[in-house]
Amino acid sequence: AQSVSQHNHHVILSEAASLELGCNYSYGGTVNLFWYVQYPGQHLQLLLKYFSGDPLVKGIKGFEAEFIKSKFSFNLRKPSVQWSDTAEYFCAVMIHGSGNTGKLIFGQGTTLQVKP
Amino acid sequence: DVKVTQSSRYLVKRTGEKVFLECVQDMDHENMFWYRQDPGLGLRLIYFSYDVKMKEKGDIPEGYSVSREKKERFSLILESASTNQTSMYLCASRRPYSYRVESPYEQYFGPGTRLTVT
Repeated sequence: AQSVSQHNHHVILSEAASLELGCNYSYGGTVNLFWYVQYPGQHLQLLLKYFSGDPLVKGIKGFEAEFIKSKFSFNLRKPSVQWSDTAEYFCAVMIHGSGNTGKLIFGQGTTLQVKP
Repeated sequence: DVKVTQSSRYLVKRTGEKVFLECVQDMDHENMFWYRQDPGLGLRLIYFSYDVKMKEKGDIPEGYSVSREKKERFSLILESASTNQTSMYLCASRRPYSYRVESPYEQYFGPGTRLTVT
């Protein structure tokens, strides 16, 4: 069965520290990859996405992620975190079906706490 | 701006009650989804719908049903609520992949309904 695994469940960093959140998926077909973020009390929103082309994708708020096909990974990075990055982060993989169908499979989520 | 709204932010129901969670989107999206979000488990897909009157089971459909009579509205029904259905429920919508837009697969989420079953 397809699955998405996020290695870190709870990460605590100080401001200005570098961030890397791991994400691995198990699916052999074509995938589209996403990172979503949920700030406290807010909607889940898209941080960045990979469809094709350059495997290094840049998103909002200085985040980036690298798709490594051989490792089935899509890790999220940020060189210097801020207190406002405190949130829950979800990796997701789009599994395509027939026609216009497809569904997102989410990882377990990683709670990031940034200390001022 | 895409807007996905859910009928309630917080809901408290008793065991055995029939519960309706409503979701409305204003972007004419064909595809709509219901997830539940639980700590340590991420988002799990309950049901989804690719078009009006169409529905498909997700990964955890047991104890739930759905209704999609109009394109903009997707309802999740708990036939007989149980305590293990206490959770955050998220609705989402998106365009199907045949649309030629920049982000054909981006899903837009509602604010969630936190349901407590006592």
